[in-house]
This record gives sequence, structure tokens and C-alpha cells, in this order.
Amino acid sequence: DIQMTQFPSTLSASVGDRVTITCRASQSINSWLAWYQQKPGKAPKVLIYEASSLEGGVPSRFSGSGYGTEFTLTISSLQPDDFATYYCLQYNSDWTFGQGTKVEIK
Amino acid sequence: EVQLVESGGGLVKPGGSLRLSCAASGFTFVSYSMNWVRQAPGKGLEWVSSISSSSNYIYYADSVKGRFIISRDNAKNSLFLQMNSLRAEDTAVYYCARHYDTSGFFGYWGQGTLLTVSS
Repeated sequence: DIQMTQFPSTLSASVGDRVTITCRASQSINSWLAWYQQKPGKAPKVLIYEASSLEGGVPSRFSGSGYGTEFTLTISSLQPDDFATYYCLQYNSDWTFGQGTKVEIK
Repeated sequence: EVQLVESGGGLVKPGGSLRLSCAASGFTFVSYSMNWVRQAPGKGLEWVSSISSSSNYIYYADSVKGRFIISRDNAKNSLFLQMNSLRAEDTAVYYCARHYDTSGFFGYWGQGTLLTVSS
């Protein structure tokens, strides 16, 4: 089974900050990685798929990069609507989520 | 517009059974693989099970293998999860999710249904 290690688990940041979240896979998953945003009481929403493809309608301040075992989600300038929990998902072999990163207001 | 509406959650005693349903609309249901994903209270997301469009390929997480059964009725645009031998650790919101397209990630989600396993 592929394990996904996501960090940090919590991130305190201010509006306008550049934020980076990392996911590391226990073995290569090529580019089969997606990033989700989840707000309390809501279903997750896909932001990025295939490691770096931006889902339609998602603001361009979100970007993804990486290949193999190391991946990052970057928010170039944090906005008030971005305070949420973020998850990575590998879909190379079955499906495994990272543990999540809660982005809090500093 | 893609819509996924889960139902069937509730309170069940340990060892009990329950069947979740997901009603799909707004897309050609028979063309897509479907999934169940769960989230325990205050915890992260956990993939539970996946079924291909024609039910030829079925996968389960180790945590539910042998206890849960995923199925679908393409004529009724419905997805199901039969849950048996329920445990306290199965308590979670269960989401129905559709594959994005031929890609294997979950592109569309329902709003979830809560299962509580408690005596």
C-alpha cells in the first residue's frame, strides 16, 4: 500500500502570505496526485489534479508541482476564503489521502 | 449539473448492519466509476471502496474488506454500500464520489451521510 505523508499538519498564516504544503509518497506515484480543499461541514473540492493541472474555476493563485514521490501545493497570496483544510490524494494505486493541513489565520 | 445525494445513515449498534445509498443525476451514470469515502468526526479523509462502471472491478480498503460490499444499479442511477459487522471506528460521514472522467481521482462529491456506531 502507498502511504502519503503530508506536512505541516497546521499552518498559521496571514492574508497575502505565500503558503506551501507538501505531500510525500512512500513510493513513486508518477503524477497521479490531486489536491483538495475542505471547509467545515462541506464536501472536499478538487483544486489540482495530475500534480499540476488546475481544475476549472479554481483561482490561479493555487498551483501544484512535483513528480514521483514529492509534491507541493502553493497558494501564492493567501485570501480570506482560503482558510480551510487541504488534503492530497494519490490515485496511482488504489487511493490514499494525506493526513491534511489546516490553514489557520495567524 | 452533477448531483450526488447520499442517504441511509443513522445510529447503529456495534455488530449491526446498514445500507447506504447514493442517488446520482446530471450525468450518464453508467459511464463512470464510483466510490465511497469517509471522514470520522474531526479526522481526515479515508477512501473506503470503488466500483467500476460495469461492476467488473471492485476495490476495498483493508479496514472494511470482508465487512462492506459496494454495488450499483445502473438502471436506477444508484450506488450502494452494504455495511456489516459495524464497529465504533466506522463512525463517520460517508461521501459518495464520482471519478472525474477516465482519471482516477474523485471529481464530484455528495454532501455526505452520517453513520454513528454506538451502543
